[in-house]
Amino acid sequence: GQSLEQPSEVTAVEGAIVQINCTYQTSGFYGLSWYQQHDGGAPTFLSYNALDGLEETGRFSSFLSRSDSYGYLLLQELQMKDSASYFCAVRPRGTALIFGKGTTLSVSS
Amino acid sequence: NAGVTQTPKFQVLKTGQSMTLQCAQDMNHEYMSWYRQDPGMGLRLIHYSVGAGITDQGEVPNGYNVSRSTTEDFPLRLLSAAPSQTSVYFCASSSGEGREKLFFGSGTQLSVL
Repeated sequence: GQSLEQPSEVTAVEGAIVQINCTYQTSGFYGLSWYQQHDGGAPTFLSYNALDGLEETGRFSSFLSRSDSYGYLLLQELQMKDSASYFCAVRPRGTALIFGKGTTLSVSS
Repeated sequence: NAGVTQTPKFQVLKTGQSMTLQCAQDMNHEYMSWYRQDPGMGLRLIHYSVGAGITDQGEVPNGYNVSRSTTEDFPLRLLSAAPSQTSVYFCASSSGEGREKLFFGSGTQLSVL
């Protein structure tokens, strides 16, 4: 089977940097994805790491280490609008995307 | 482009009733999937499809049926609704080259009394 673990809540202040970790147990997968979901909205795609290493997209970066079964999403220069839930996800071989339970990020001024 | 369209947005059912949640996409995506979202449980995969005529079960398929007669449509059927199926349902699609990049519909909030 497969499971993904991420912290349930993270708090930070505007302008800060926050890292949301994701550890996983899966028998084989294609890569690690991250999604953002604001309250009452639908999830939206943020990033995808097919290979080990760091991927940067503006203020957001994502990292994957297959040897450590670990990845993270790094959010820099936090803004109030970054308050949302963040989900890591993997696509095990032979099935569709499986999501973690999500991390609620609260950004305060 | 409309993207992924789900109907209805809200629905209230009585226990034992059946209904179909509609999902349509206009991006010519091969892959479509259904998820349910419950508080503290994240998104759980119900059923998915890799193309017209092909469907498969996800993590929580019991009580749900799907079919994929066209590339565009992927309806989810609740056979006999139960209170445990009260949830927010999301349909998603992705292309063959970018299966990890899902495009989600706006969701259906379902309550079963």
